[in-house]
Amino acid sequence: DTGVSQDPRHKITKRGQNVTFRCDPISEHNRLYWYRQTLGQGPEFLTYFQNEAQLEKSRLLSDRFSAERPKGSFSTLEIQRTEQGDSAMYLCASSPNNREPAFFGQGTRLTVV
Amino acid sequence: SQQGEEDPQALSIQEGENATMNCSYKTSINNLQWYRQNSGRGLVHLILIRSNEREKHSGRLRVTLDTSKKSSSLLITASRAADTASYFCATENTGFQKLVFGTGTRLLVSP
Repeated sequence: DTGVSQDPRHKITKRGQNVTFRCDPISEHNRLYWYRQTLGQGPEFLTYFQNEAQLEKSRLLSDRFSAERPKGSFSTLEIQRTEQGDSAMYLCASSPNNREPAFFGQGTRLTVV
Repeated sequence: SQQGEEDPQALSIQEGENATMNCSYKTSINNLQWYRQNSGRGLVHLILIRSNEREKHSGRLRVTLDTSKKSSSLLITASRAADTASYFCATENTGFQKLVFGTGTRLLVSP
C-alpha cells in the first residue's frame, strides 16, 4: 500500500483520557499535514511538518494538542485530557513539494464520550 | 479558519447533466486544488491548478482559475451517480505551506 496510512481508523475514548494517533505518509514525501474535520465542514488546518521540523501550528491547537515527526517519516498527534469538543475526524496528508498535490489518508474518527 | 467558500453549498442533478461548482478565496495563492470526499471517508485529490494557469482538464473534469477575481470553478461533465460526494477547493497561499479548505459543495447525482 503506497498511500497515506492512519491508525487507528476509529477511537472512542472517555472525556479526560489521552489519545494518540499515528500517520505514515507516502514514502519520501517530506511534507506532512494534520487537519481536523467536523461534520458538514471543510478540513481545518492543525499543523505542518517539513521533514522533522514543525513549521506551522494553528491557533486552533490548544496546549492539549501536540504533534511530532521525530525522524521525518511517520508522525503522531496526541490529545491530552480529551474533551467532547475534540470529537472529529483527524486527517493526515503528505506531499513531496509545493508543486505536487497533497494526498490524504482515510482519517481517524475520534469520539469523546 | 477557512479561506473561502464553495458555491452552491448543495447541488442536485440528474445523471448525464453537467455539474458546476465555484470556489472563491481571499488571498494570493501558489496553487488551488480540488478534492472529493465521500461520506465519512478521506479526501481524494482530483486536480491541481497553478496560479499561472487558467484552465486544466482531467477526464470529465474541467477546472478554471481566475486570479483577478480570486475564483475557480470545477465542471464535471456527463455526471454519474458515483460522482455523488462533497467537493472541496483548497488553496496554498503565497508565503505559506499549508492548504486552506473551503466549506464544500455537496453534490447529489440521481440515476
